[in-house]
Amino acid sequence: DGGITQSPKYLFRKEGQNVTLSCEQNLNHDAMYWYRQDPGQGLRLIYYSQIVNDFQKGDIAEGYSVSREKKESFPLTVTSAQKNPTAFYLCASRYGQAPYGYTFGSGTRLTVV
Amino acid sequence: SQQGEEDPQALSIQEGENATMNCSYKTSINNLQWYRQNSGRGLVHLILIRSNEREKHSGRLRVTLDTSKKSSSLLITASRAADTASYFCATDPESYNTDKLIFGTGTRLQVFP
Repeated sequence: DGGITQSPKYLFRKEGQNVTLSCEQNLNHDAMYWYRQDPGQGLRLIYYSQIVNDFQKGDIAEGYSVSREKKESFPLTVTSAQKNPTAFYLCASRYGQAPYGYTFGSGTRLTVV
Repeated sequence: SQQGEEDPQALSIQEGENATMNCSYKTSINNLQWYRQNSGRGLVHLILIRSNEREKHSGRLRVTLDTSKKSSSLLITASRAADTASYFCATDPESYNTDKLIFGTGTRLQVFP
């Protein structure tokens, strides 16, 4: 079955650590996105990539980094510079050009301990 | 920045009743989409309506779009307990040259058996 796989489902980070969230898709989608969701809130865009080896900052990119070396993969690193990283992180992808809906992964819940 | 705002923030109804959620946005759009999110899960795309469309149906879902008022509504008819979830509208702003969706804050729907 095609879809987006996010791992791990739960992640705990110590102060000062960098952590990487995985996002893999086998849908042959061109564009991929990372969103952050805080409790009871909507989604805020962190980074997005429309093609391999290219990505753009979203609204809240500070303290995060990404790479897009393969079409299937778009990992997100939460660096120690992100002061409030506890949140639910969602990866999404979209096929081709608009208008198509996004396909989302099941999310990674990151907690700072 | 969040383009869309849903109203109401929370809605509780009995099974069999209709549920109506509204979304208002700020700038001109290419299209507007509705998503559903079950607790702790990723979002699922429900329906997309283009800026030149006024109404769209999909099963028990009916979406309307009024671009003059910059608003949309999602109607779920004959609701079921399984419809309990958060519902988000997302806009594809016309001013962007990329397909970045901007999500609203969501409506939490509770359907009681």
